[in-house]
Amino acid sequence: AQSVSQHNHHVILSEAASLELGCNYSYGGTVNLFWYVQYPGQHLQLLLKYFSGDPLVKGIKGFEAEFIKSKFSFNLRKPSVQWSDTAEYFCAVSISGSARQLTFGSGTQLTVLP
Amino acid sequence: DGGITQSPKYLFRKEGQNVTLSCEQNLNHDAMYWYRQDPGQGLRLIYYSQIVNDFQKGDIAEGYSVSREKKESFPLTVTSAQKNPTAFYLCASSIPGAYEQYFGPGTRLTVT
Repeated sequence: AQSVSQHNHHVILSEAASLELGCNYSYGGTVNLFWYVQYPGQHLQLLLKYFSGDPLVKGIKGFEAEFIKSKFSFNLRKPSVQWSDTAEYFCAVSISGSARQLTFGSGTQLTVLP
Repeated sequence: DGGITQSPKYLFRKEGQNVTLSCEQNLNHDAMYWYRQDPGQGLRLIYYSQIVNDFQKGDIAEGYSVSREKKESFPLTVTSAQKNPTAFYLCASSIPGAYEQYFGPGTRLTVT
């Protein structure tokens, strides 16, 4: 079975700092990759997704992620964070051709200080 | 407005009681899912259903049961057999053939 690791449990940054959240997965086949975000008091929502093609994908609110197949990684980045980016971020993986199940990482709580 | 509704937002129960969490969607999605979210553990899949009258166990199905009698509804029952039921429960759905899932607002269950 596949698994997803997010090694940063809590990240604290000041506004305008750059962000990179790590995500690694364990599965040797073709995968679909996602980053979800959960803002305080709000629904879990999709930030960005990768299915195929250009390994650098752009999402909402200035976020992007890069799929590096050789490293089994899908790290999330943002060049300059804002206080409103304070949220919990989840990486998720789905195996292509599967029953569309998502396997989530343990999440990273991002706190941006004003 | 299309979306997924979960009710209630907060639920309190005594140990030993079964409790049913509601999940309704008007997105016309075929597939529906139940996850449990615990601090530091992310989301873990409890049950999922690809079509009406069919459902499969996820990674942590023990102590839970579901039904899927209507496309719009996928209620989850937390039984007294679930050893640690206090958690945040999230329902999700997806369109046919899609991998991304859409989530409801969640129900926070506290069992004492």
